[in-house]
Amino acid sequence: NAGVMQNPRHLVRRRGQEARLRCSPMKGHSHVYWYRQLPEEGLKFMVYLQKENIIDESGMPKERFSAEFPKEGPSILRIQQVVRGDSAAYFCASSAEQGGTEAFFGQGTRLTVV
Amino acid sequence: DQQVKQNSPSLSVQEGRISILNCDYTNSMFDYFLWYKKYPAEGPTFLISISSIKDKNEDGRFTVFLNKSAKHLSLHIVPSQPGDSAVYFCAASITGNQFYFGTGTSLTVIP
Repeated sequence: NAGVMQNPRHLVRRRGQEARLRCSPMKGHSHVYWYRQLPEEGLKFMVYLQKENIIDESGMPKERFSAEFPKEGPSILRIQQVVRGDSAAYFCASSAEQGGTEAFFGQGTRLTVV
Repeated sequence: DQQVKQNSPSLSVQEGRISILNCDYTNSMFDYFLWYKKYPAEGPTFLISISSIKDKNEDGRFTVFLNKSAKHLSLHIVPSQPGDSAVYFCAASITGNQFYFGTGTSLTVIP
């Protein structure tokens, strides 16, 4: 049973380009969470999704950021027109149920904007 | 608005002694608490959890204590081992909602 898979592990983008981060949850998990870790900071919640639904996006910046979790395929975190401040490690986690159980994390995607 | 706080950014402990990592929260609606361990360049790994109906949960060398009246939880590692050196995050959730994480405590176990 593969764990949470994130790709790519490392992503370099020039300012103004788009970044697409992918997350395949653990088998049987239908809940996905995205977190961002800026240098020297903790994990900041961004968005919580279930299949085809955004449950909570209170941590998402209002502009340039979007997320989806389609019926088929991985969850995608999309950052348009990236800026240097978007450079961070982005972690995806999945869980089997709503709360009350642990969420399992992927190894993260380290985004560097140059 | 940081609902889960880890006020000690770092902790150093001698090998074989007890490590105590602390975590405070502000939202009394939280009903599930977790600890994660994170090595550099890796994702957080689930360590241990506790439901709000309990005040203690033990798993081998790891024990989590929950004091609901004080809105405080702690992770005890005994005996501490050098391989325990990592960043530890506490997290809390309200059933049906997202997980809120603290900012982490970097534990160094000195051989």
